[in-house]
Amino acid sequence: EAQVTQNPRYLITVTGKKLTVTCSQNMNHEYMSWYRQDPGLGLRQIYYSMNVEVTDKGDVPEGYKVSRKEKRNFPLILESPSPNQTSLYFCASSYSAGAVNTEAFFGQGTRLTVV
Amino acid sequence: QQQVKQSPQSLIVQKGGIPIINCAYENTAFDYFPWYQQFPGKGPALLIAIRPDVSEKKEGRFTISFNKSAKQFSLHIMDSQPGDSATYFCAGGGRSQGNLIFGKGTKLSVKP
Repeated sequence: EAQVTQNPRYLITVTGKKLTVTCSQNMNHEYMSWYRQDPGLGLRQIYYSMNVEVTDKGDVPEGYKVSRKEKRNFPLILESPSPNQTSLYFCASSYSAGAVNTEAFFGQGTRLTVV
Repeated sequence: QQQVKQSPQSLIVQKGGIPIINCAYENTAFDYFPWYQQFPGKGPALLIAIRPDVSEKKEGRFTISFNKSAKQFSLHIMDSQPGDSATYFCAGGGRSQGNLIFGKGTKLSVKP
């Protein structure tokens, strides 16, 4: 089954404790991205990757890091989480970097709470 | 230049009604306009998409109307059902960009 898998689904952590949210896709997609979803603000892109070792900032990259060492994986790293990073996070992938006009497949989401 | 403005923020209709969600974009380089549907506890999923070379696209009960000169597009849901209750996101993108720009979403409730 074609899917984007995020882990964990739910996470409560404390301010300053480094964490990683993993994302893996089994569709051999080139393009992957991370979004955060907040009430009234919709989906805002954090980082995206057009291919292995190629990443770029989205609209709200501050406080986040990413890496793309393998095509299938695109982890999101919060080096020092803060309460304003409490949000619902989605990973997404699509077939081709230049063809944003192909379907983006989203993961199930990770609800992060930073206390 | 990058924004996609979506309205209304929320919408309540009776079963069988035709909810309409509107979006406006600024970037004339956009050439792809998808709509995503999100149910509670799930990730967004592609519902329907349109390119600017056509003015309308229909898939089942869902129709996108596109007005290139006004830089606006809208989603119409015919004969809406309670199962259509979800959050809907419009978006814009283009080959020159690396990302889709999403609207802020519309929460639709269809009452039985």
